Amino acid sequence: AQKITQTQPGMFVQEKEAVTLDCTYDTSDPSYGLFWYKQPSSGEMIFLIYQGSYDQQNATEGRYSLNFQKARKSANLVISASQLGDSAMYFCAIRLRFGAGTRLTVKP
Amino acid sequence: DTGVSQDPRHKITKRGQNVTFRCDPISEHNRLYWYRQTLGQGPEFLTYFQNEAQLEKSRLLSDRFSAERPKGSFSTLEIQRTEQGDSAMYLCASSLAQDYGYTFGSGTRLTVV
Repeated sequence: AQKITQTQPGMFVQEKEAVTLDCTYDTSDPSYGLFWYKQPSSGEMIFLIYQGSYDQQNATEGRYSLNFQKARKSANLVISASQLGDSAMYFCAIRLRFGAGTRLTVKP
Repeated sequence: DTGVSQDPRHKITKRGQNVTFRCDPISEHNRLYWYRQTLGQGPEFLTYFQNEAQLEKSRLLSDRFSAERPKGSFSTLEIQRTEQGDSAMYLCASSLAQDYGYTFGSGTRLTVV
């Protein structure tokens, strides 16, 4: 079974700065995909970025990038140039399972 | 395409009643997922379908819960003999394949009184 750990219940970042949200996982699957989702206070869940376990390069999608360290079983999300609209819950997911989430607050 | 549609948006029911929720996925997506989410928690996996086949079901899905996707298009989730602990947001999502991000619906909020 897969297990996802997000150790930061809450994070604060100053507007325009970068922030890293941590995610570690445990899986016995030889090949897997890692996902990050954003859930603003309005409630809708939005897919942000995907990383395949055999991808040679870290995934990037606009201001989002994944710091993927396979040996450490870590897939941290980096948000660059934070905006007020980035304030939300962020969830890491692997094969059907989601972590408990990190609440990010961007301060003006 | 209007995305993933869930109906109803809200449902209030008395304890012991049965409820059924519907999910219409994006038409070309063959995978459909059901999750339950309570306030401040991550989505909790319930079950998923590939086309009409139910491929995995969580042990959390007790015998009071059942899901169907009869023609590989829309899906229904039924909860029988509802309990107060069933109060939650029920989320449906769909995806094109395993390594594609999910598109979520807006959810059905269930309140059991």
